[in-house]
Amino acid sequence: EVQLLESGGGLVQPGGSLRLSCAASGFTFSSYAMSWVRQAPGKGLEWVSAITGSGGSTYYADSVKGRFTISRDNSKNTLDLQMNSLRAEDTAIYYCAKLDEVVPAGAAFDIWGQGTTVTVSS
Amino acid sequence: QSVLTQPPSASGTPGQRVTISCSGGHSNIGINYVYWYQHLPGTAPKLLLYRNNQRPSGVPDRFSGSKSGTSASLAISGLRSEDEADYYCAGWDNSLRGPVFGGGTKLTVL
Repeated sequence: EVQLLESGGGLVQPGGSLRLSCAASGFTFSSYAMSWVRQAPGKGLEWVSAITGSGGSTYYADSVKGRFTISRDNSKNTLDLQMNSLRAEDTAIYYCAKLDEVVPAGAAFDIWGQGTTVTVSS
Repeated sequence: QSVLTQPPSASGTPGQRVTISCSGGHSNIGINYVYWYQHLPGTAPKLLLYRNNQRPSGVPDRFSGSKSGTSASLAISGLRSEDEADYYCAGWDNSLRGPVFGGGTKLTVL
């Protein structure tokens, strides 16, 4: 069964750091680009970051550029998101999502995890 | 402010046909494919349509999509109570070098 399972969410103070992880199973992980998409309370979906199947190229939304780092370990089928200098506006449910392509060039997120909640508050 | 613009709400009665619009620009919808997602709060979003009008396996043919210029639309025919959800359009933006989503449309089945 194709599955994505996120972990690592929690409560963190403004300016703090958090590392999210996503464990993938049921497909050839290295053959697909992966992404993080978030949904703030009462808001819509917002793309955060993406990484190619090889991990050689990364992409970021302007809102997180310079603060978040996406990475993957194809030997362990895991995707990570290192979040630094967190702000209140980063509070959201963070979804791990598989893209239906090796290099991101569309928005075909065909598999999603259940999400992990990040709350940035003092 | 989302790059792609959707109406915040839509509604219909069971059996009706409803459409949801998505307006973008020349750097996204104008030159790239459009995708549609169905999202029930508390669950994982679901890919409903890809490449403007293609349905993934398991999505009923009651859902259809179209695109013209810098706008796209999702049509749901034979509306059912289980279609009540939030719907999002999305696409790649060449200027932003990443995917962009619409603000979402909350569909209510009356």
